[in-house]
Amino acid sequence: GAVVSQHPSWVICKSGTSVKIECRSLDFQATTMFWYRQFPKQSLMLMATSNEGSKATYEQGVEKDKFLINHASLTLSTLTVTSAHPEDSSFYICSAAGGSNEKLFFGSGTQLSVL
Amino acid sequence: GQSLEQPSEVTAVEGAIVQINCTYQTSGFYGLSWYQQHDGGAPTFLSYNALDGLEETGRFSSFLSRSDSYGYLLLQELQMKDSASYFCAVAVSGNTPLVFGKGTRLSVIA
Repeated sequence: GAVVSQHPSWVICKSGTSVKIECRSLDFQATTMFWYRQFPKQSLMLMATSNEGSKATYEQGVEKDKFLINHASLTLSTLTVTSAHPEDSSFYICSAAGGSNEKLFFGSGTQLSVL
Repeated sequence: GQSLEQPSEVTAVEGAIVQINCTYQTSGFYGLSWYQQHDGGAPTFLSYNALDGLEETGRFSSFLSRSDSYGYLLLQELQMKDSASYFCAVAVSGNTPLVFGKGTRLSVIA
């Protein structure tokens, strides 16, 4: 099956710093990628839809200036958490649709801990 | 709004069969997917139903009834490694993000 690589797997940072998370589709081109946030034992919360070559579409309540998304190529999307605060600590997961949006391939996730 | 309902927790014995139900109320419907997620890991795709009926893939089967807005995931010959969270997800249309249920935590016991 298709492979989506996400880095880093985990990051610990000080409050106020910015953190960049990369999501790559390794063996297919992904014009659309999705970024999710997940708290322990809870569901996946869609943050934004990342479209190659255009601006991301953010879900209601997600601050686009805080969570910067860039989809510069067909295989790479990045999420930058700017001026991170402890409440931003969470598990962030990216996904890409191989051909249709019904079957998603997920990255391994990034556990962000902001001190 | 969109809503998907599934049980929060299910416990079953190793070797048994378990069924995880999912009912949905969405503005549109394109298909129902199921994903498995182990603790600390990423979700992995299990199955997808666009039409009514049963889809079988090894020990896992998925069923859909569009008229009842209902589907289920059936796991047979349960193994300890099947202990995980299972999410149903609806594709509201062909080009919109999936809407995920809150997940069912399955615990397989000896």
